[in-house]
Amino acid sequence: GAGVSQSPRYKVAKRGQDVALRCDPISGHVSLFWYQQALGQGPEFLTYFQNEAQLDKSGLPSDRFFAERPEGSVSTLKIQRTQQEDSAVYLCASSPTFGLAGLQETQYFGPGTRLLVL
Amino acid sequence: QKEVEQDPGPLSVPEGAIVSLNCTYSNSAFQYFMWYRQYSRKGPELLMYTYSSGNKEDGRFTAQVDKSSKYISLFIRDSQPSDSATYLCAMRGYGNNRLAFGKGNQVVVIP
Repeated sequence: GAGVSQSPRYKVAKRGQDVALRCDPISGHVSLFWYQQALGQGPEFLTYFQNEAQLDKSGLPSDRFFAERPEGSVSTLKIQRTQQEDSAVYLCASSPTFGLAGLQETQYFGPGTRLLVL
Repeated sequence: QKEVEQDPGPLSVPEGAIVSLNCTYSNSAFQYFMWYRQYSRKGPELLMYTYSSGNKEDGRFTAQVDKSSKYISLFIRDSQPSDSATYLCAMRGYGNNRLAFGKGNQVVVIP
């Protein structure tokens, strides 16, 4: 079946521009995550949705970052007034459930959107 | 100090060698431990998942967890050029889905 897809795959923005990154999770997956991966680093948690509810946004680095998942499926991460330090790969992941131990908790990652802010 | 430490140094090994990777962590709430493999310009893919101290084997891969020492390892036996990738350790607490990752190790297996 189809995995997690993200678009665009690459985005170049001028400093100060707004950008929107899209994530299509695996169909039926309840949980959706956004991570930020800087060059040479591991992914860092940004935010988490359970269906349409944003249950944890503690990882968002500033109020310029905003995420939504209005119908509990597709999610959009928006970055306003982009800065050079926002340059990174933005990864989306989805998982089937929440709260159950085991492989069902596995997070399946998309290929990421590589954002470069000039 | 980060919650998860993974020495990010690149590792170059000849084909057939054993690759040994490890991570340490400071948060005793972490209960579930994973190793992800990430090929260049791709998203991480789950390789191994374990939640108890001890060893878990899957083919050429062995994951080892020592909760008392807060130390996890990944061993790759009979390494192949196709194993060349970045390996990320990740972990989380019970009932908490956010993953904490190490920095990753870039592994190159030379034919």
